[in-house]
Amino acid sequence: GAVVSQHPSWVICKSGTSVKIECRSLDFQATTMFWYRQFPKQSLMLMATSNEGSKATYEQGVEKDKFLINHASLTLSTLTVTSAHPEDSSFYICSARGGGGRETQYFGPGTRLLVL
Amino acid sequence: AQTVTQSQPEMSVQEAETVTLSCTYDTSENNYYLFWYKQPPSRQMILVIRQEAYKQQNATENRFSVNFQKAAKSFSLKISDSQLGDTAMYFCAFMSGNNNDMRFGAGTRLTVKP
Repeated sequence: GAVVSQHPSWVICKSGTSVKIECRSLDFQATTMFWYRQFPKQSLMLMATSNEGSKATYEQGVEKDKFLINHASLTLSTLTVTSAHPEDSSFYICSARGGGGRETQYFGPGTRLLVL
Repeated sequence: AQTVTQSQPEMSVQEAETVTLSCTYDTSENNYYLFWYKQPPSRQMILVIRQEAYKQQNATENRFSVNFQKAAKSFSLKISDSQLGDTAMYFCAFMSGNNNDMRFGAGTRLTVKP
């Protein structure tokens, strides 16, 4: 149980385009989902926390107009990188809280974004 | 703000031996949770073990156990009978019981040698 999927697993796009990443909890309802960013050989950096049906809470330094988060249902959250630039290239990971325990986060497999 | 410190960027261990990964954290809270996550080359984050701060007993999951020292704010992970599949990045994480935000340490890259 407690499976989280992400789609796509990797994406290459041109600078200036927008990219949408989906995060789904497959076998449990996730009232809260989290989006992280991970640069090579570094730790996970929390970008934002999204609660179903409400606006996401962004961490300091994360542009909410750049990284649009929607959490429209208990099993789906989306992250849209708007007008992507090469510096947005990174590994994006979502997680969802639920399943075995409210305090445990289960992670998706990640999405590798490369902006040319 | 809570901080999580992993002071060992890299470690290695021989197959079948035991290794301990260190983690310390800083918080003024009394209600919180601690986790160890494993990130293999596939980059999928996998929960290894979790510990509730209110529990004095150290958590154990098969070959994985923790040494939770609440007063010292220390949360080390012991891997017994190391296997080649244990090779991965290991992240220590702290989650507040108040706002449920999870903060990660910088990670320790563990290599199990045959």
